[in-house]
Order: sequence, then structure tokens, then C-alpha cells
Amino acid sequence: EVQLVESGGGLVQPGGSLRLSCAASGFTFSSYSMNWVRQAPGKGLEWVSYISSSSSTIYYADSVKGRFTISRDNAKNSLYLQMNSLRAEDTAVYYCARPAVADDYFDYWGQGTLVTVSS
Amino acid sequence: AIRMTQSPSSFSASTGDRVTITCRASQGISSYLAWYQQKPGKAPKLLIYAASTLQSGVPSRFSGSGSGTDFTLTISCLQSEDFATYYCQQYYSYPPLTFGGGTKVEIK
Repeated sequence: EVQLVESGGGLVQPGGSLRLSCAASGFTFSSYSMNWVRQAPGKGLEWVSYISSSSSTIYYADSVKGRFTISRDNAKNSLYLQMNSLRAEDTAVYYCARPAVADDYFDYWGQGTLVTVSS
Repeated sequence: AIRMTQSPSSFSASTGDRVTITCRASQGISSYLAWYQQKPGKAPKLLIYAASTLQSGVPSRFSGSGSGTDFTLTISCLQSEDFATYYCQQYYSYPPLTFGGGTKVEIK
């Protein structure tokens, strides 16, 4: 059974940093690209970042470029999101999401971890 | 970036109704469109990909159609468990991947 379990969320002050993790199991993690998607309270879904299976290709949404860093450790079946210079507008539930084998829609999602940026 | 516009943003319906949600892309995306269902406090769930292909395990009352810029999600006979928010997503071109703003289906 495919499982994605996020952790690392919490309350952080504006300008602070946080590192999210996503532990993957039930599939060959090293064969899949991975993504982070977020959802602000009461709002819609926003794609945040993409990393290819080998980490050779990385993309970011303009809203987080230069502040967030996506990475992965295939030996540990884990995905990460380092978030620096956090702003109030980064407050959201952050989901890790696995795309289908040959296309970039998401067939598996984690349960999400809440990041709250507030003083 | 390709903009995805859903309509309506919300509506009320009754169990047994046939409901249709529309998603429009700001440029042609062929059939690279997915639909998701999200219930409060839960992660999104994939319903349909490639505009019209039902994800395994999804009830057949859900169907999708369209290509190019205009797409629809239809629920043929609304069930109580279908009251939720629905999102479309294009995967034709990225970055960025983009989602529609969502359509909330509420009980009348």
C-alpha cells in the first residue's frame, strides 16, 4: 500500500525557517518524481515544487522561488522541503504528492502537515 | 502560466441530482486534465485523469469529458458522500502545474 506521511509542520515566526519531511513507503520511491502542494486555510490548491526521481530537475512556484528548497534522499525514501524567510502567506497545509508513472497528475497524497507563520 | 477557471464556485444540489462542473483552461491543454475530490480536513482524491479516464475504484457515476480548453465533470446521480469540493488540474505544461479554484457542492 502506498503511503506518504508528512511531518515537520508547526508554528513559526515571520522570517523563520522550517523543514518539512515526507516519508514514502509501498512503492519504489527512487523511480518517481515528487511534488509539494499546499492549501491555505479555506483556499484552493497551489502547486509548490517538483523534483525529478534523480534530483536532476527541480521546479518551484514563483511564490516560493529563492526561499524554499526541495530535496530528496532515495536511500531513506524521503522527500524534504526546506522553507526559509517564511511569510504569513505561506501559512497552509503542505501535502507531498506522488504523480502517476507517466504523467503529472497526482494519484497519491499524504495527509498534510500544517505550517502556521505568525508572530 | 496556464490559468484554470472553474464554474460555478459553489452550488447546492440534492441527492439523486445530475450535476456538472465546468473547467476552462486559458490555452489549449489537449486532454492533460485531472479532477480531484476533497472533503474537509482530508487530502484531495484523484477521480479522473486524461480528461475522461476514471481512476481505479472511483464510482462510475463520475465522468469527465472535454479537450482543448473546455472540460466538464459530471456526477450522474449525486450521493451523500459526493458533497465535497472538486478541483481540476492541468498537467500539459509546467512549471507551474495549475489547479482550478474549486467548486463546492453543498446539500440543498
